[in-house]
Amino acid sequence: IQLTQSPSTLSASVGDRVTITCRATDSRSTWLTWFQQKPGKAPKLLVYKASVLADGVPSRFRGGGSGPEFTLTITSLQPDDSATYYCQHYHPTEYTFGQGTKLEIK
Amino acid sequence: QVALRESGPALVKPTETLTLTCTFSGFSLTTTGMCVNWIRQPPGKALEWLARIDWDDEKIYNSSLKTRLTISKDTSKNEAVFVMTNMDPVDTATYYCARVREGGGSGDYMDVWGTGITVTVSS
Repeated sequence: IQLTQSPSTLSASVGDRVTITCRATDSRSTWLTWFQQKPGKAPKLLVYKASVLADGVPSRFRGGGSGPEFTLTITSLQPDDSATYYCQHYHPTEYTFGQGTKLEIK
Repeated sequence: QVALRESGPALVKPTETLTLTCTFSGFSLTTTGMCVNWIRQPPGKALEWLARIDWDDEKIYNSSLKTRLTISKDTSKNEAVFVMTNMDPVDTATYYCARVREGGGSGDYMDVWGTGITVTVSS
């Protein structure tokens, strides 16, 4: 299974709402995970099982969708949201990551 | 509090074998559903999953790298060990270990990551 994220880069302003899409090549894909990664840091879990918010993650982040298309929506953008976002899927015996979406806050 | 930390050499020579250790706390790799993943990230590139070891000692590997990888665990030391043979400059990357929750099912997820260790392959 391959994951394709769009867009690859995104520029938005504080207060904006943005949506990142992750498309899987297998329409039977059920669950998806989203991570946030800042430069020089390890990825941080944001959303798992497509829509479950991880502990401590602000409610401005929302995961949605179902196979093969999933979304990560961030509302009321904050400067701290500047990061690269990755989707990830687990299919028996293999994990796959998307290529990443770099979000810049203007 | 759950924490993981990667340790190992920062520099290896081409053709050498890389051995990395993930030392963790706050959970046990004997608990049903617990697993540890190894993931890497070349400079400026995306994340790539490498291997996973489960609470029941089941192991799975990246199919493209399988012949070079070995993963094991020492539950008495709370360690997961990752070995990659025949290192090449293209294997230069930051290597991470991460805890996997609800492992073994399609809904599993990596909830806590180590800080990573940067490994450079160069003669």
